[in-house]
Amino acid sequence: GQQLNQSPQSMFIQEGEDVSMNCTSSSIFNTWLWYKQDPGEGPVLLIALYKAGELTSNGRLTAQFGITRKDSFLNISASIPSDVGIYFCAGCHGSSNTGKLIFGQGTTLQVKP
Amino acid sequence: NAGVTQTPKFRVLKTGQSMTLLCAQDMNHEYMYWYRQDPGMGLRLIHYSVGEGTTAKGEVPDGYNVSRLKKQNFLLGLESAAPSQTSVYFCASSYSIVYTEAFFGQGTRLTVV
Repeated sequence: GQQLNQSPQSMFIQEGEDVSMNCTSSSIFNTWLWYKQDPGEGPVLLIALYKAGELTSNGRLTAQFGITRKDSFLNISASIPSDVGIYFCAGCHGSSNTGKLIFGQGTTLQVKP
Repeated sequence: NAGVTQTPKFRVLKTGQSMTLLCAQDMNHEYMYWYRQDPGMGLRLIHYSVGEGTTAKGEVPDGYNVSRLKKQNFLLGLESAAPSQTSVYFCASSYSIVYTEAFFGQGTRLTVV
């Protein structure tokens, strides 16, 4: 099945540093979503993007819907230890009438205090 | 609001045994989904439902069946469990095909021995 290419696969950073991760697809999406998953928990929605070029912030998090509609990125500024977790991008095709999401493989973030 | 609730949270099965995973949502969402999560592979869609009484196959449906007799519930069945079905299973729901943010349960960790 189709997958999104999410990178990097993992990151190990110092507290206070900024983080950037991105997802690319070979096809167009109408929706890009970013989730965070803590150990032993389900993914939690961070940011939803519905319009090409849209730039949306949620606290220290900022995500953008690429103009080509085939990519998205997530930035985390001034990282803190509780940012640790797995970050997933997810996209929904424009032609879909089911709301099905396709997920990236995740970016594992570790923050060193 | 409880959101999306999955039961059980953990289960160990012997090869060939059957079981049903229950998902309940209290958000009046039309769309419900079952995903499995395996290390390094992100979330893969097993089956989904676009409304009460409807079900459809996702990316990895083999070995699973589902039913959606009530809008708020989505059941995932394993008729004859296999070790390859050892995984973490997540249920999710979303409001519509326009607003496709999916909300996830906390997961069921299934081990088949």
